[in-house]
Amino acid sequence: DAGVTQSPTHLIKTRGQHVTLRCSPISGHKSVSWYQQVLGQGPQFIFQYYEKEERGRGNFPDRFSARQFPNYSSELNVNALLLGDSALYLCASSRGAGLELFFGSGTQLSVL
Amino acid sequence: TQLLEQSPQFLSIQEGENLTVYCNSSSVFSSLQWYRQEPGEGPVLLVTVVTGGEVKKLKRLTFQFGDARKDSSLHITAAQPGDTGLYLCAVSYNNNDMRFGAGTRLTVKP
Repeated sequence: DAGVTQSPTHLIKTRGQHVTLRCSPISGHKSVSWYQQVLGQGPQFIFQYYEKEERGRGNFPDRFSARQFPNYSSELNVNALLLGDSALYLCASSRGAGLELFFGSGTQLSVL
Repeated sequence: TQLLEQSPQFLSIQEGENLTVYCNSSSVFSSLQWYRQEPGEGPVLLVTVVTGGEVKKLKRLTFQFGDARKDSSLHITAAQPGDTGLYLCAVSYNNNDMRFGAGTRLTVKP
């Protein structure tokens, strides 16, 4: 079975641009979470979606938004990119809230 | 301040050595998880500890949850180059998100 898949794997943007990152969960998993991991740090929680509804939001500005589609895939959108948004963005899926997380390999975003 | 403090931040050892890394907090948790993350990959769950004082073994890895459920340790016996990676501890927060420590970056040299 396929694991969590994320696209693209790498992305280079300039300040002020907008970016959309995509995630497909493991089949049967209805919960998708997004994390930001900057170099030298652990992942930081951005959003959690379950059954297409936002169930949790971390301490990130409104420039960050996400949604979950009927097939449980998800998009993370970041507007007005800043240099500090450069990071590895990880998507994780699980069968439900509080259950084991399975992470994708991430999207490495570089903002120049 | 970080919810979870991990130490050491970096650790470089020779193959065959033993090591222990730590995860500490001033808060009490119902459970705690350990993950390993290799370069270019997402974290992979190693273990979940639930009961204070609990010890779990996974081959050469031994995980312990503190009696007060505020801290945990990971001990690796006879480390191998394949153990190289970033070791992260994490706790569930509000049942909707995991809070991670900054991790211990382990390098095992052949």
